[in-house]
Amino acid sequence: GAGVSQSPSNKVTEKGKDVELRCDPISGHTALYWYRQSLGQGLEFLIYFQGNSAPDKSGLPSDRFSAERTGGSVSTLTIQRTQQEDSAVYLCASSLSGAHNEQFFGPGTRLTVL
Amino acid sequence: AQSVTQPDIHITVSEGASLELRCNYSYGATPYLFWYVQSPGQGLQLLLKYFSGDTLVQGIKGFEAEFKRSQSSFNLRKPSVHWSDAAEYFCAVGALQGAAGNKLTFGGGTRVLVKP
Repeated sequence: GAGVSQSPSNKVTEKGKDVELRCDPISGHTALYWYRQSLGQGLEFLIYFQGNSAPDKSGLPSDRFSAERTGGSVSTLTIQRTQQEDSAVYLCASSLSGAHNEQFFGPGTRLTVL
Repeated sequence: AQSVTQPDIHITVSEGASLELRCNYSYGATPYLFWYVQSPGQGLQLLLKYFSGDTLVQGIKGFEAEFKRSQSSFNLRKPSVHWSDAAEYFCAVGALQGAAGNKLTFGGGTRVLVKP
């Protein structure tokens, strides 16, 4: 079966513009995570969705970042008014419910803010 | 708050030699521990995980890791390295046991170079 897919694979934008990053999780996975991988900060947790529960947004770095998950499947991470420090690879992962289940990662979206 | 330290940023090892990657964690309870590998241009792939039970965990690609509670460590080992093992390796600790999900805290990663 298909793994986690993310689009676009690369995104170049100008400072101040808004961007949307998409994640398609593995079918049947109720948990979905967004992480960010950057040179300065390493791999950081951003946000977590589990079924119909309220998302855990504790890792979002600022209110310019938001995410939604429609129909319990596809998720979109939106960054408003992008800044150069937002440049990073944004990784999405999904898993079955339960903390012991493996998170399967997508290939990531490389965001470059000029 | 939980944290993970990988003391070695880079390790160079000869093909066929053994490999050990260090990982130290800080967590208030019994942790969920993971090792992931990231090859160039690839996503993260799970090598192995520890939740409870036997402290020596076997994973894919011939890797194993040992959980040592007294040392707060979860070191990754491989007896004989292959050129294809050149990659970046990340240790991670999970959040709450019994929770529906498991947001991970990652170490800074160790980049492994394999000499022929």
